[in-house]
Amino acid sequence: QSALTQPRSVSGSPGQSVTISCTGTSSDVGGYNYVSWYQQHPGKAPKLMIYDVSKRPSGVPDRFSGSKSGNTASLSISGLQAEDEADYYCCSYAVSYTWVFGGGTKLTVL
Amino acid sequence: EVQLLESGGGLAQPGGSLRLSCAVSGFTFSRYGMSWVRQAPGKGLEWVSSISGSGGSTYYADSVKGRFTISRDKSKNTVYLQMNSLRAEDTAVYYCATVGNWFDPWGQGTLVTVSS
Repeated sequence: QSALTQPRSVSGSPGQSVTISCTGTSSDVGGYNYVSWYQQHPGKAPKLMIYDVSKRPSGVPDRFSGSKSGNTASLSISGLQAEDEADYYCCSYAVSYTWVFGGGTKLTVL
Repeated sequence: EVQLLESGGGLAQPGGSLRLSCAVSGFTFSRYGMSWVRQAPGKGLEWVSSISGSGGSTYYADSVKGRFTISRDKSKNTVYLQMNSLRAEDTAVYYCATVGNWFDPWGQGTLVTVSS
């Protein structure tokens, strides 16, 4: 149950695009299409942004998109806005009905 | 409106016990699996445990296996996390969440501090 690997931080200016990677193994990210992404603002509960690799829940802007290739999933955010500044976590279903999260990425909007 | 409300957090001594509760409203409780996810101060999210909608299947992270027990009471629309043999490294905010292939929605969390 090792954590998925995410960059510690990414940054971009308003209006720009950023991509956050999430690398696992064939036992989690690469083995299932059950990758989800969560946004967390300081002191708040996580919020679901992407599920099943690339699906967006109702109410999440289409500026947020997800994808996967092999053992690496990615979250892309286009048209950066100030309110996008937050921590982002990926998560994947793993073997034997367990779940694994990434270490988290701090997004800074410059 | 779907709501999840955790309670039961607080200060516990190393080796002690606590029981967390998560009261659920706004959806058919027995249809959904439930999970606990924790976040140590300044750290990332860690999946702790899950229970099936029927309560017949339970799953645990290696870090808590044998010490924590998840359960649910459909008459009270509540899921529990019994935490025994607590360690300093169990200090965290504990969130409950509905689980399918993802976690949503989440409660607001309850803080557990393990310290002498």
